[in-house]
Amino acid sequence: KNQVEQSPQSLIILEGKNCTLQCNYTVSPFSNLRWYKQDTGRGPVSLTIMTFSENTKSNGRYTATLDADTKQSSLHITASQLSDSASYICVVITSGYALNFGKGTSLLVTP
Amino acid sequence: NAGVMQNPRHLVRRRGQEARLRCSPMKGHSHVYWYRQLPEEGLKFMVYLQKENIIDESGMPKERFSAEFPKEGPSILRIQQVVRGDSAAYFCASSPVSGGASEQFFGPGTRLTVL
Repeated sequence: KNQVEQSPQSLIILEGKNCTLQCNYTVSPFSNLRWYKQDTGRGPVSLTIMTFSENTKSNGRYTATLDADTKQSSLHITASQLSDSASYICVVITSGYALNFGKGTSLLVTP
Repeated sequence: NAGVMQNPRHLVRRRGQEARLRCSPMKGHSHVYWYRQLPEEGLKFMVYLQKENIIDESGMPKERFSAEFPKEGPSILRIQQVVRGDSAAYFCASSPVSGGASEQFFGPGTRLTVL
């Protein structure tokens, strides 16, 4: 059974601080891994896309890493802002269109 | 270029009624995917459609649920005789092509509440 596990389930940090979210997966075969940001009441929006051969990918203050050997990924958020408060979802694509979603990490950035 | 549009954004139905959810993909996208998100759960794939064709409906319950993507007009997800367990957020996504490298763009979702 394909599984995507994320940790922590929820996280509260102060504005300006950094944080790292984790994603472990057992999905096989692996095509690519994506991190999405989902604001409350909205659909997911893609932050980064990484293929098997990529170790790291940045998008502004977001940096994703991938270790395909250990099947782990992380999303690092630098200098957090209040607008970063959202759910961050790790999605692993096996082949074709099959998206395997984690449950997400709920991040709250406080003033 | 407008994003993926879904309507209604919120839908309330009583048990036994029908729910009809609409999705207009991004311009130029002919691939549509429906997902369901139960409270405290991740999104789960339901069905994948191309214009006028259902490609994969393996994630959709065999009873009461149906989907279509006609040649003209939006994609429709229909739930007949709704039950309380159908209460969830239903997201539609679209892509210009299929395949792992093709990003899916999500709509804002329809939140269905069954009383």
